Amino acid sequence: DVKVTQSSRYLVKRTGEKVFLECVQDMDHENMFWYRQDPGLGLRLIYFSYDVKMKEKGDIPEGYSVSREKKERFSLILESASTNQTSMYLCASRAGGPTDTQYFGPGTRLTVL
Amino acid sequence: AQSVTQPDIHITVSEGASLELRCNYSYGATPYLFWYVQSPGQGLQLLLKYFSGDTLVQGIKGFEAEFKRSQSSFNLRKPSVHWSDAAEYFCAVGADRGSTLGRLYFGRGTQLTVWP
Repeated sequence: DVKVTQSSRYLVKRTGEKVFLECVQDMDHENMFWYRQDPGLGLRLIYFSYDVKMKEKGDIPEGYSVSREKKERFSLILESASTNQTSMYLCASRAGGPTDTQYFGPGTRLTVL
Repeated sequence: AQSVTQPDIHITVSEGASLELRCNYSYGATPYLFWYVQSPGQGLQLLLKYFSGDTLVQGIKGFEAEFKRSQSSFNLRKPSVHWSDAAEYFCAVGADRGSTLGRLYFGRGTQLTVWP
């Protein structure tokens, strides 16, 4: 079974803090994704990565950066957290091309005070 | 650009009743289409997907979906709903060309409530 794990289920941070959200997959998948989920807005893509050290912006990259130093790990970084980044963050991974399944982690609910 | 519309934000059905969740997409070529389900407090799980062949696709948990190119639709159906089907359902479309290679575009979701 594919397993995508996220470092925290719940996280509370203060405005201006630097925040790291970690995602690890155990199936040697090439592709990894970070989404943000807000009520009524569905899932919006922040960043994705097709290979180690490669990244591509999604629809809402502002205020975020990512790092993929190893194939199994994809980190989302909030350089200076703001209250409007309070949200549910979902990580996903996919083995190959666009017909393959994306497997999702359980999510991290981030609250920025 | 690709987009997905789920017209129903919230649907309520009685247990044992049939279910249809609507999904319309916008994409110039043959799309890759997916339905995901998210139970409370969980990540998303794939129910089924379509990318070619038979337009009626069977998935897990007794769900099926039908691709209708003429209507740009990919509606999800289940003949008899169980209380455990209460969840949020997301339709997604994928692209195979251009700079959006491999990414998915998600609809806003439909919340399903099941009455006992």
